[in-house]
Amino acid sequence: KNQVEQSPQSLIILEGKNCTLQCNYTVSPFSNLRWYKQDTGRGPVSLTIMTFSENTKSNGRYTATLDADTKQSSLHITASQLSDSASYICVVSAHNTDKLIFGTGTRLQVFP
Amino acid sequence: GAGVSQTPSNKVTEKGKYVELRCDPISGHTALYWYRQSLGQGPEFLIYFQGTGAADDSGLPNDRFFAVRPEGSVSTLKIQRTERGDSAVYLCASSPDRRGDTQYFGPGTRLTVL
Repeated sequence: KNQVEQSPQSLIILEGKNCTLQCNYTVSPFSNLRWYKQDTGRGPVSLTIMTFSENTKSNGRYTATLDADTKQSSLHITASQLSDSASYICVVSAHNTDKLIFGTGTRLQVFP
Repeated sequence: GAGVSQTPSNKVTEKGKYVELRCDPISGHTALYWYRQSLGQGPEFLIYFQGTGAADDSGLPNDRFFAVRPEGSVSTLKIQRTERGDSAVYLCASSPDRRGDTQYFGPGTRLTVL
């Protein structure tokens, strides 16, 4: 069964600190992996997208990595800001259907 | 430019009633998707439109749920005989062309069934 699992479920860090969120998937055949940021009360917004051949991609203070062999991805946030408080959702697309499989998300809270 | 918009932003209804949720996708986007999101969960796929036709409705939980997109732009999600378990945020997304494109999400409609 195609699944996407994320850890931790929730995370609290202090402003200015770094953090890393994890995503493991069993989707096959793999097409691409996206990280979305979802602020409270809003729809998800795409941060990064990576295909099979890419193993790292950055978007400002966000850096995503992908290991297609172990089917793992991480999202690293550098020098966190209060505005980073949100849910971060890992989304994997299956190659044959392009259907998106969503993880349950990691709820990040950044405190001053 | 305008993003995906959804109306209403909040809807409270009584068990057994009929509701309609509206989605205005980004202009020119041919693909449109409906998702349902419960608290603390990721979005759950409901239905995908390519143009006017429902290309994949495998996520609709039962026949109380129905969606239309008659002119290939605005879509309406219709829920009959609402149940308390239908309470969730209903998200709409659109993408330029094929299903694998990046999806742009609306703010969602929070549905509460009392």
